[in-house]
Amino acid sequence: SQWGEENLQALSIQEGEDVTMNCSYKTYTTVVHWYRQDSGRGPALIILIRSNEREKRSGRLRATLDTSSQSSSLSITAAQCEDTAVYFCATDDQGGRALIFGTGTTVSVSP
Amino acid sequence: EAAVTQSPRSKVAVTGGKVTLSCHQTNNHDYMYWYRQDTGHGLRLIHYSYVADSTEKGDIPDGYKASRPSQENFSLILELASLSQTAVYFCASSDVANSDYTFGSGTRLLVI
Repeated sequence: SQWGEENLQALSIQEGEDVTMNCSYKTYTTVVHWYRQDSGRGPALIILIRSNEREKRSGRLRATLDTSSQSSSLSITAAQCEDTAVYFCATDDQGGRALIFGTGTTVSVSP
Repeated sequence: EAAVTQSPRSKVAVTGGKVTLSCHQTNNHDYMYWYRQDTGHGLRLIHYSYVADSTEKGDIPDGYKASRPSQENFSLILELASLSQTAVYFCASSDVANSDYTFGSGTRLLVI
């Protein structure tokens, strides 16, 4: 089955710094989802990038997708304390009928 | 507001006992899912359903059953709970055509 895999399982940064996390996936997908999960909550979609897009921006978030290397990245510009969360990439599996998640990257932003 | 609601929010179960986790969605989505989350493993797919009265196995279905009695409701059943099933369980619904997924807040299950 297809699965995403984040590199760098935990990142600790200070407010104002930029941070990038990467995700590689093993089989073809038409879309990469990026979710954030706050403590005690379910995952929430923060950005979705499709195979015909190389880059997608949403506020301070920037996602990239390289279908040739089957990898995606998520960057946060000028991180704030409220960006502290676990970030997951997810791709389609089960014939596009379900999401398969990577193991996640914990981002901790300190003042 | 469209939502996915899980119950209970947390549960303590005895080894060998039966556990039922419930999920209700108001998104009018065809697809519903059960995932489990363990530390260091992200979310893993247990079962899913794309129509009432039908369920499909995900990646880790062993020890779990699922039931979809209506479009809005999807249950996860542990007939004989085991210690290894201690985890946080998430339900989700989706409009797969638009890659639109909504997750519930999770059920924290502790099997003792």
